Amino acid sequence: GAVVSQHPSRVICKSGTSVKIECRSLDFQATTMFWYRQFPKKSLMLMATSNEGSKATYEQGVEKDKFLINHASLTLSTLTVTSAHPEDSSFYICSARVGGAYNSPLHFGNGTRLTVT
Amino acid sequence: GNSVTQMEGPVTLSEEAFLTINCTYTATGYPSLFWYVQYPGEGLQLLLKATKADDKGSNKGFEATYRKETTSFHLEKGSVQVSDSAVYFCALSPNNAGNMLTFGGGTRLMVKP
Repeated sequence: GAVVSQHPSRVICKSGTSVKIECRSLDFQATTMFWYRQFPKKSLMLMATSNEGSKATYEQGVEKDKFLINHASLTLSTLTVTSAHPEDSSFYICSARVGGAYNSPLHFGNGTRLTVT
Repeated sequence: GNSVTQMEGPVTLSEEAFLTINCTYTATGYPSLFWYVQYPGEGLQLLLKATKADDKGSNKGFEATYRKETTSFHLEKGSVQVSDSAVYFCALSPNNAGNMLTFGGGTRLMVKP
């Protein structure tokens, strides 16, 4: 089946530094990938839609200059948390859709646990 | 706008007990409905889906029926196992919104031996 690989699974960084998270579709091409953030005991919040070869579409309230998204190829999207602060500590998950139908399910990566000290 | 409401957890059951996790939704048009499961330390995995009214999605002993009249998609399993302990998310994909998914708040299930 379709596999979405996310790396790293865990990262600890110091406040003020930047962290890059990779999301790869291993056996399919994904023109669109999605980045979510999961707060403790709360649901997933869609942060942005990553489009191959064009700018990402950010959800309201998400700072595009802080959460940089690059989708340079059909199998890779990256999320960079710039100048990270402790409040950015969270679980970040990417996903990609296989097939173009609106009701096609998304395949998710295993997530990245970011801790900012 | 679209929204999904799930019962709050945690839900604690003994092994072999019957499980129901309620999910109701608000949406325009005719959305597709999903249940995702998140095991500890992992990302979400699709558990089952239904794309139109009265459809029943099923997988691994779990079932959910798309009820348009009650705008519900309750998750059920006749006999839970310890390995079913996870967080379960109900979600919808609107008819005209392309790849968007709206998630419910998640329900943590804990199954004790």
